[in-house]
This record gives sequence, structure tokens and C-alpha cells, in this order.
Amino acid sequence: DAGVIQSPRHEVTEMGQEVTLRCKPISGHNSLFWYRQTMMRGLELLIYFNNNVPIDDSGMPEDRFSAKMPNASFSTLKIQPSEPRDSAVYFCASRPTSGSNEQFFGPGTRLTVL
Amino acid sequence: AQSVTQPDIHITVSEGASLELRCNYSYGATPYLFWYVQSPGQGLQLLLKYFSGDTLVQGIKGFEAEFKRSQSSFNLRKPSVHWSDAAEYFCAVGPMDTGRRALTFGSGTRLQVQP
Repeated sequence: DAGVIQSPRHEVTEMGQEVTLRCKPISGHNSLFWYRQTMMRGLELLIYFNNNVPIDDSGMPEDRFSAKMPNASFSTLKIQPSEPRDSAVYFCASRPTSGSNEQFFGPGTRLTVL
Repeated sequence: AQSVTQPDIHITVSEGASLELRCNYSYGATPYLFWYVQSPGQGLQLLLKYFSGDTLVQGIKGFEAEFKRSQSSFNLRKPSVHWSDAAEYFCAVGPMDTGRRALTFGSGTRLQVQP
């Protein structure tokens, strides 16, 4: 099993540009989570999906952030326009349909907005 | 609402010494409890989890944790720390019914290991 796959692993962009982060969950998992990690704020839950439906997006910082899950094997987190304060590591995690509430994390995307 | 407190932001221990990382949670029912480890530049990896049965659970890399309901704690321990254990450790709590709810993570404890 390849685990949760995120791309790109690193992204450097300029303020005002659109940024799209991608995630492929583990096959068979029906929940997907997007987190942001910074030194100041630690690990924050941005949004999560169950069966491709957004359940809780209260952690999305503002309208510049949007997330989609068009099918069970793919999700995107988009920032438009990006700002320097969006610089962080963004993690995607997935969770299986049954069993424990364990989440499996991807390696993260390190975003730097100049 | 559920919450997790990791009171120690940063801990330094000597290699070979024992380790205990504290975790206290607030939850209205019996929770699922987790410890994750994050090595520098890496994602979070599950160390161990508790959801029922024996309150002392064993995990990977020689770690264990004990669930104490009366103290609302789930402290992580290791009898002898190795230099490779230097990382950040996160405690998390979640509902037994996965339902539509996510885990709540603590703020993390950064472990430094001295030679």
C-alpha cells in the first residue's frame, strides 16, 4: 500500500498566485482530512470529508481557501490568492470506513509564499 | 467539546534515560486515544492507540501508554530513549463512533535527546 500521497512535496510561489495542493487517500478509506501545521499555531484541522462530502469546514481560514473531493481517490486544497501568512506545511490524512478512528497521514506539502 | 492538553512543550532527556510524555484529555464518553510521532520533515506516524481492553497499550519502537480514566490521562512512556526518538509527539482523542467527527490533537511535545 502506497499510503496517502500528496503532491507537490514542496511549493514556492509568489504572493497573489493560485496554489493547488493535491491528495490521494488510501484506497478504501472514506474520510479525508486537510490539516495545516505552523510553528505558531501547531496542527490545525482545516476541513474534512466523509464519502466525498464536506462535513466540517469551520477550520478553513477564509474564502481564499477552498477544498474539493470530486471522487473517492482525489482531493484538492486551493488557495487563491495566496499570501505569505499561508506559508506552512499542509497535511492530508485519510481514515478507513470501519474500525478505529485512526488517521493515516501523508508526507505533507511545504508551501512557501514569498 | 473534546480537548487535549500536552503540558510539556519541550522535553530534553539523555540517551538511555526513561521518558514520560503527558497527555490529558477532556471528553464526555470513552474516547479513542492515540499517540502520533512526527520526525523532522515527515508526516505523522501512529505510535499506538487505545479504544478498549487492557489500559496499558504497547506500540511501535518500544513505546507504551497507559489509559487512566480517573485522571483523564494517556501518558506515553519508554524505558530507554534512543537518539532516533528525537521528534515531536502528538496526543489525540476521538469518538468511538467515527461518525462524522474528526480527531482532536494536542499541541505537541518536542523531544530532544542528548548523547
